[in-house]
Amino acid sequence: GAVVSQHPSRVICKSGTSVKIECRSLDFQATTMFWYRQFPKQSLMLMATSNEGSKATYEQGVEKDKFLINHASLTLSTLTVTSAHPEDSSFYICSARDRVGTGGTEAFFGQGTRLTVV
Amino acid sequence: KQEVTQIPAALSVPEGENLVLNCSFTDSAIYNLQWFRQDPGKGLTSLLLIQSSQREQTSGRLNASLDKSSGRSTLYIAASQPGDSATYLCAVRLGAAGNKLTFGGGTRVLVKP
Repeated sequence: GAVVSQHPSRVICKSGTSVKIECRSLDFQATTMFWYRQFPKQSLMLMATSNEGSKATYEQGVEKDKFLINHASLTLSTLTVTSAHPEDSSFYICSARDRVGTGGTEAFFGQGTRLTVV
Repeated sequence: KQEVTQIPAALSVPEGENLVLNCSFTDSAIYNLQWFRQDPGKGLTSLLLIQSSQREQTSGRLNASLDKSSGRSTLYIAASQPGDSATYLCAVRLGAAGNKLTFGGGTRVLVKP
């Protein structure tokens, strides 16, 4: 299957600082990428849909000014957690759909980023 | 609103037994359904994708069935191995234009040697 690379895999930051997470589709183009958040022993919650060249679409309850998403190319989307606080500590996972390969139907996921805010 | 449920939440079996994981969804107008595996602290690995027009998909020891009318999918893993221990998630996509995946809560599987 297609490969989605997410970086970094782990990050620890101080409260009040910002953290950027990258999501790359390595061998395919993705017009749409998705950002999820996962709490321990819980399922994935969609935060936002990232569209190449346009503004991201955020799910209800997700603060767009806190979670900045940029999708500048067909292979890269970034999520920036601004002014991070301990309650932002979580596992963040990105996903991308191959625009061409499987008819744009199968979703592939990155390895996830464990964010710890101290 | 689409809701996806996975039962049981956890499952423990001895090595060699077949695994049966259930996924149910409330809105039968799905575009496709996907099964994933997640190891602790890791991302998701896609296992099987079933289009709405299909009734099952198979890959090695894995077989997934889909019954849209009853809103159910079942993942079968034959002859389980300790390496199959992981959390299994199902997710449904509503409509071709709808990009979102709605996930179930997952089933944590432990295969004991």
